Formats: sequence, structure tokens, C-alpha cells
Amino acid sequence: ETGVTQSPTHLIKTRGQQVTLRCSSQSGHNTVSWYQQALGQGPQFIFQYYREEENGRGNFPPRFSGLQFPNYSSELNVNALELDDSALYLCASSLYPNAGELFFGEGSRLTVL
Amino acid sequence: GIQVEQSPPDLILQEGANSTLRCNFSDSVNNLQWFHQNPWGQLINLFYIPSGTKQNGRLSATTVATERYSLLYISSSQTTDSGVYFCAVEGVDAGKSTFGDGTTLTVKP
Repeated sequence: ETGVTQSPTHLIKTRGQQVTLRCSSQSGHNTVSWYQQALGQGPQFIFQYYREEENGRGNFPPRFSGLQFPNYSSELNVNALELDDSALYLCASSLYPNAGELFFGEGSRLTVL
Repeated sequence: GIQVEQSPPDLILQEGANSTLRCNFSDSVNNLQWFHQNPWGQLINLFYIPSGTKQNGRLSATTVATERYSLLYISSSQTTDSGVYFCAVEGVDAGKSTFGDGTTLTVKP
């Protein structure tokens, strides 16, 4: 059974740039959720994707967008990067929405200079 | 939305000691999980426990859903138990999990 994988693991961008983070869900899971974790805080929900459509969104601006592909992998895109976007971005997969148990990848650590 | 409060925020123990971490939540939940975040940032699943009691080795957890709290017990602490422990809950009306701010555990040799 393949776990959740994320790429890249680390990246550095400058303010105003755009970034794309990628996530492959665990085998058999069709739902992907993205979280942002700032230093010293708990993860904050960004959005969830199910069957290639957004299925719930947290309190994040529209410059945070996502995609889910037919193989259930997902991308998180952030436009017009701001310094406060520096964080650990975590992807979680689950069997289906509201399925309960989330399984997380190792995260992508983004630094915005 | 649902509020999640974890206590204590920080806990320092000697190796071999026992500890109890608490998670309070403000509304009815469908799901509750406990995670340990390793030094590299990955969230490791400890328990999926919307209600009842579970045990896994030196760790056990109890959720009393009617009273809106969950407890994580760590017995005979080891230095490798150090790290941040998170509770995450999914409210009845929500399609997302809400995390607490975590408990940072330090186990000293």
C-alpha cells in the first residue's frame, strides 16, 4: 500500500511569485485535503477535493486554488505569494469525504522571501 | 465552527514517567484523531477514536463524546516520544478536520 507523497519537500520563492505543490493520495483514497501549518500552530484547513471538484474550503483567499486529477492526485497553487504564506503545507487523503481517518504526507515546506 | 482546545500546551517529563494529554471540543463530532508530529513535520496517526477507548502499546486514548473531550495517555515515556501531539476533530456539519494548537512534549533522559 502506497502512502501519501508530496513534492517538493522544500522550496524557496520570492514575494509575488507563484508556486505549485503536488500530492499523491494513498492507494484507494479518492479524497484529498490540504492544510497550512504556520510555525508553532496547528494545521489550518485550506480545502478538500473529491471527484475532481472542490468539496469544502477554509478561510483562505482565492489566490489559493487547487486541482484534483482522475487518478486522485492533487495540486495546490498559490499565486502572488506573500511573506505570511511561508509555512508547512500538508496534504491528507481519506477513503471519501467525512470518512474520518486522515493520512498525511510529509509536507512541503515553503519559504517566501 | 468547532473549537478545539488542547492542554497542557507544554509538558516536560523524565523518562519513565506517565502523562495525560487532553483535548476539549465545543460541539458534537463525527471523527476524532490523535497525531504525533515528528521532527520533520509529518503527522503520524496514533488513534482514530470518535468514541470509546483504544490502546496501542504504551499509548492509549479515551474519547467521551457526550462530554466533548478526549484524553491521550502515554505510559513509561521514552525520549522518542518527544514532539508535538495534535488532536483533530471533524464536526457533524463539517467536511473538514479542525486541529488544536497541540501539546509539546519533551521527555528528558
